[in-house]
Amino acid sequence: NAGVTQTPKFQVLKTGQSMTLQCAQDMNHEYMSWYRQDPGMGLRLIHYSVGAGITDQGEVPNGYNVSRSTTEDFPLRLLSAAPSQTSVYFCASSWTGGTATNEKLFFGSGTQLSVL
Amino acid sequence: DAKTTQPTSMDCAEGRAANLPCNHSTISGNEYVYWYRQIHSQGPQYIIHGLKNNETNEMASLIITEDRKSSTLILPHATLRDTAVYYCIVRAQLFKYIFGTGTRLKVLA
Repeated sequence: NAGVTQTPKFQVLKTGQSMTLQCAQDMNHEYMSWYRQDPGMGLRLIHYSVGAGITDQGEVPNGYNVSRSTTEDFPLRLLSAAPSQTSVYFCASSWTGGTATNEKLFFGSGTQLSVL
Repeated sequence: DAKTTQPTSMDCAEGRAANLPCNHSTISGNEYVYWYRQIHSQGPQYIIHGLKNNETNEMASLIITEDRKSSTLILPHATLRDTAVYYCIVRAQLFKYIFGTGTRLKVLA
């Protein structure tokens, strides 16, 4: 299994440009989320989804949009990139396996984004 | 959401047990304690989690105090490959994880 796949691995944008970070998982997980990690910092939750058609905001949602049209995919859109969005972005997925006690996150390898 | 407090950094000799502490004094009765680690700039990796009882798996052991206000992650025989940032997280609700800055563990040869 590929697990959680993120593309691209690296991206450089100019201020004001838009782009979409892709995230796909092949584990049939109901939950998917996006985090950002700034240098020397922990991960901060941007947006998450508990199933197709359902999304919600995390800690730092401003400047980002998401949608979940399928179970497998959860793209993150930057409509007008700003230097403050320079960061490493991680996508994660999870499932309960029928019980909340088994729930745990699986992460992708990340996308390093620089906004000039 | 319950917050966690971890030391910023720790060193451990290779082959010795690494004991990583975490305080979560505001934890509620139904909140789980999770541990993840991040090696270099890779995506975080799940290690272990628990509610009340001590837990052990192939990677580590988790010791939770009786009052649940603190816990310790134990790597029984640390290797150089265990050098990473270790995150202790209290999961407030299903799927909702709030990461702190973690403990940077350096395993020394």
